[in-house]
Amino acid sequence: EAGVAQSPRYKIIEKRQSVAFWCNPISGHATLYWYQQILGQGPKLLIQFQNNGVVDDSQLPKDRFSAERLKGVDSTLKIQPAKLEDSAVYLCASSFLPGQQEKTQYFGPGTRLLVL
Amino acid sequence: AQSVTQLGSHVSVSEGALVLLRCNYSSSVPPYLFWYVQYPNQGLQLLLKYTTGATLVKGINGFEAEFKKSETSFHLTKPSAHMSDAAEYFCAVQSGSSNTGKLIFGQGTTLQVKP
Repeated sequence: EAGVAQSPRYKIIEKRQSVAFWCNPISGHATLYWYQQILGQGPKLLIQFQNNGVVDDSQLPKDRFSAERLKGVDSTLKIQPAKLEDSAVYLCASSFLPGQQEKTQYFGPGTRLLVL
Repeated sequence: AQSVTQLGSHVSVSEGALVLLRCNYSSSVPPYLFWYVQYPNQGLQLLLKYTTGATLVKGINGFEAEFKKSETSFHLTKPSAHMSDAAEYFCAVQSGSSNTGKLIFGQGTTLQVKP
């Protein structure tokens, strides 16, 4: 079974530029998560989708970050304009069992972003 | 609100020695608890999880963890460390009464294994 796919793996941009990350979850997984992991910290949830609807985006800096999951499968996370403090690893995860309480999340390899 | 505290940001053990990584959580509802491992430049891989039932859970690569409600702990152990265990380990809590599945992570513990 293929895992969660993410691209690109690495990205270097200058501040005020825009960048987009792509994620394709495990086939059949209804729930998709984007996490931000700053160096030396644990991942922090940015946004969660259930199919193509947003469940939780309370920690998403909406003035510069946006995300979509139009067809309920793959998703794109965008930053515009980027700031130095956005340098981090962006992790995508997915889970399968929307009807059950416990939702094991499976993570992709992440996109490492460096903003100069 | 839920939270996770991992005691010790860096743990160093000798190859063959016991590994003990500490995790304490705070949750007002029954929690689901997870341990993930992250190797350099990779994503997070699930080691083990506790949902309900047996409080001692076994995971991959010889790791296990015990859920102790009275101590609000979920420490990770392995009897004998291997060089390949060197990585970053994250403990996470998920609300047992929420439909969102949101994970709250600790700050991580880096495990160093010395030959």
